Amino acid sequence: AQTVTQSQPEMSVQEAETVTLSCTYDTSESNYYLFWYKQPPSRQMILVIRQEAYKQQNATENRFSVNFQKAAKSFSLKISDSQLGDTAMYFCAFMKHGDYKLSFGAGTTVTVRA
Amino acid sequence: NAGVTQTPKFQVLKTGQSMTLQCAQDMNHNSMYWYRQDPGMGLRLIYYSASEGTTDKGEVPNGYNVSRLNKREFSLRLESAAPSQTSVYFCASKLGGPRDEQFFGPGTRLTVL
Repeated sequence: AQTVTQSQPEMSVQEAETVTLSCTYDTSESNYYLFWYKQPPSRQMILVIRQEAYKQQNATENRFSVNFQKAAKSFSLKISDSQLGDTAMYFCAFMKHGDYKLSFGAGTTVTVRA
Repeated sequence: NAGVTQTPKFQVLKTGQSMTLQCAQDMNHNSMYWYRQDPGMGLRLIYYSASEGTTDKGEVPNGYNVSRLNKREFSLRLESAAPSQTSVYFCASKLGGPRDEQFFGPGTRLTVL
């Protein structure tokens, strides 16, 4: 089984500031996919961003971007210009190529302060 | 489109009771999943169905059974509920490819007394 580690249980950020969430994973695979999911207080899981391991270019989606370091097995999420609606729990997830299963980290709770 | 729907939204059981959690998707997705979410542990996969007619165990299958009734529906059954099964249960589906997004239902909060 793959192991996904999110070492920051909670983070707080001022509105309009930037916050970076860390994620590391353990795998012997060379081809895989990484995801960040957001879970707001409504409990609904929402995909924020995804990255294919074979792509060197870091993925970006509006204010969300990742820093993918394959050799270090690191996949951090940067939220720029934080908004109150970004308050949520964020989960890092891993899926190896050809598989159907996602392995999730324990999550990081992000609170955006007004 | 309703996406992924789950029933019920909340349930309280007594130890030893049985129940079935229902999940349906209207996106013509091939794969469906059941997860449980516990504090400090993220989401853990209970069972999944890669395609209609197949089911496989995930990380924490003990105490659960599943049925892929058809392409749309994937149910999770607790035969004899235990307090350790108190959790929030999520159903998810995806079209099929590895990079495809998994779409999640709203979750069921289950309490076993």
